[in-house]
Amino acid sequence: DAKTTQPTSMDCAEGRAANLPCNHSTISGNEYVYWYRQIHSQGPQYIIHGLKNNETNEMASLIITEDRKSSTLILPHATLRDTAVYYCIVRGYNQGGKLIFGQGTELSVKP
Amino acid sequence: EAGVAQSPRYKIIEKRQSVAFWCNPISGHATLYWYQQILGQGPKLLIQFQNNGVVDDSQLPKDRFSAERLKGVDSTLKIQPAKLEDSAVYLCASSPLRAQRPEGYTFGSGTRLTVV
Repeated sequence: DAKTTQPTSMDCAEGRAANLPCNHSTISGNEYVYWYRQIHSQGPQYIIHGLKNNETNEMASLIITEDRKSSTLILPHATLRDTAVYYCIVRGYNQGGKLIFGQGTELSVKP
Repeated sequence: EAGVAQSPRYKIIEKRQSVAFWCNPISGHATLYWYQQILGQGPKLLIQFQNNGVVDDSQLPKDRFSAERLKGVDSTLKIQPAKLEDSAVYLCASSPLRAQRPEGYTFGSGTRLTVV
C-alpha cells in the first residue's frame, strides 16, 4: 500500500470549511484513497473513498488531483463535533485485510 | 444494527500481570481484527481472523500476546505477562467476508489498558 503524508494538526473555525490535505505521490493505478476519522475515545469511523473522480456524501467531499498524487478532504461546514483525528489511507479496493494507519491530522474546530 | 462490543472499557494492571480483552463483532461479520493504538499514533493491526482461522498475525508479539476466536464469533485477546509498553487502546473491528472493503469495517470503542 502506498505511503501517505498528512499535516500533524490543523485548526478550523466553527461553521467554516475544513480542508484536510493528504499527499500520496506513490499511489498506483488500482489504489483508492480512503478517509477515516477518530473522535476521542472512539474507534475509527469511515468517511469517504475515491479512485480518481471527486466524491461527495452526507459527511464530506473528496477532491483528488488529476495526477492522483494528492487529495483533500473537505468538511463543508465544520462543527465542534468534527474535532477528531483524520486518517488518509491508500489501498487496493476489494483487497480485504488490514488497514494501515499513519499518524493522521488532528483537527480542532474552534467556536 | 448493534455495533462492535468490547469490554472492559478500561483496565489498569501492574507489569507482569495478565489481562484479557473481549470482543463481540457485528452479527454475521466473518472477519475480525484486533488493533493496538499507542497514544499519539494510528492503530496498528495485531491479528486478523476469518471465521475462526488466523489470516494475519505477523505483528502479534507471540511471546506474550495470544488471541482466539472460538466458534468464529466472539474473540479474546490476552497479554501475559504485561509490560509497561503495552499501555495502549486495544481496538476490535469486524467486516463482512465477501465485502472486505474498508467502508465495511466497523470498529468498537476499544479497551484502554494502563500498565503501571
